[in-house]
Amino acid sequence: QKEVEQDPGPLSVPEGAIVSLNCTYSNSAFQYFMWYRQYSRKGPELLMYTYSSGNKEDGRFTAQVDKSSKYISLFIRDSQPSDSATYLCAMDTNAGKSTFGDGTTLTVKP
Amino acid sequence: GAVVSQHPSWVICKSGTSVKIECRSLDFQATTMFWYRQFPKQSLMLMATSNEGSKATYEQGVEKDKFLINHASLTLSTLTVTSAHPEDSSFYICSARDGGGRNEKLFFGSGTQLSVL
Repeated sequence: QKEVEQDPGPLSVPEGAIVSLNCTYSNSAFQYFMWYRQYSRKGPELLMYTYSSGNKEDGRFTAQVDKSSKYISLFIRDSQPSDSATYLCAMDTNAGKSTFGDGTTLTVKP
Repeated sequence: GAVVSQHPSWVICKSGTSVKIECRSLDFQATTMFWYRQFPKQSLMLMATSNEGSKATYEQGVEKDKFLINHASLTLSTLTVTSAHPEDSSFYICSARDGGGRNEKLFFGSGTQLSVL
């Protein structure tokens, strides 16, 4: 069983929709939770970085962490065609080595 | 955010030759850098952790003689794929933490697509 499971997708939504991306994990030692966006043939770009349970908002993006359920989510409001990419969740223990989900490919149609 | 520069972005080589990929932290010092391999539609697979001034730490199953890592300065790590073969064709990505702490934010290079003929 993988330590990090990510909803596989792919997801296709119309422009303006709210998108929900989700990951679950099994390792209770994970303390830091990240979301990355990766365009095709490019390196991942850090979108959100959170430490504790709760919500963190940055513009149209909201990251949600529920440590009790070992569940994290990324919400994208008012999705745009430029949001079309693969989204990776990642988690760190205090050892500083990230474990990545397999990614969810999102397409936002105009 | 911090900038990590990786190049080349694309390289094609003949089987049996060696290829060097560079990863630089442009506006911060990186004690530790990471090298990943990514196959199409799959996630990042950590290959090794590159430590400035010391030997790299390789993940299980990664051949250290095949994938040579050098981290000679706080801003530069290199990955050399030695005697490349077609099965080494892949997308290679480096990353670095901005700051000395283990859990500082991780920033990625733009990746290198290696094609071995």
